[in-house]
Amino acid sequence: TQLLEQSPQFLSIQEGENLTVYCNSSSVFSSLQWYRQEPGEGPVLLVTVVTGGEVKKLKRLTFQFGDARKDSSLHITAAQPGDTGLYLCAGGNSGNTPLVFGKGTRLSVIA
Amino acid sequence: DTEVTQTPKHLVMGMTNKKSLKCEQHMGHRAMYWYKQKAKKPPELMFVYSYEKLSINESVPSRFSPECPNSSLLNLHLHALQPEDSALYLCASRSEGWEYGYTFGSGTRLTVV
Repeated sequence: TQLLEQSPQFLSIQEGENLTVYCNSSSVFSSLQWYRQEPGEGPVLLVTVVTGGEVKKLKRLTFQFGDARKDSSLHITAAQPGDTGLYLCAGGNSGNTPLVFGKGTRLSVIA
Repeated sequence: DTEVTQTPKHLVMGMTNKKSLKCEQHMGHRAMYWYKQKAKKPPELMFVYSYEKLSINESVPSRFSPECPNSSLLNLHLHALQPEDSALYLCASRSEGWEYGYTFGSGTRLTVV
């Protein structure tokens, strides 16, 4: 069974601070995805990374896939209250194998 | 259309009731999923449909019965639920190709009384 460990579980920071969320596994994944979920809504896909060592940027968010495709990180620069939510990493494999979700990081950005 | 639409948004049902949750997508996605999410937890996979056929049932109790009438629609029939089944039920779909992410609906908030 493939598992994804996400850390930290909870993070409360002031507006303007930087933060990094980690997603680690002992297994190799074909792809790693990051989602953000707001209360009462479904998760929304932020990014998919598929190549070891890949770095993708989405405005103030930077996503990295580890060289060995076993880990990923999400870095947010100058966090804003609108970044508040549950961040989920999910590992994917070839075929129709369902995604493996991490337990999530609950981020609260205080103005 | 790039959305997954779930209805109803909220549902309160008694333990003897029968109700159905509906999920619809018109993106041509051939894989569709039901997830259950409890408060402050990640989504838990319940069922996977691939090309309208049930391909994965994650040992879900028979009081939950999925149905895929066509490639755009996914239903979840509910009968004799327990209060612990109260949760957010999420539907998702995915395009072919493992590198694609899921498109989730907004969910149905189910309360069993």
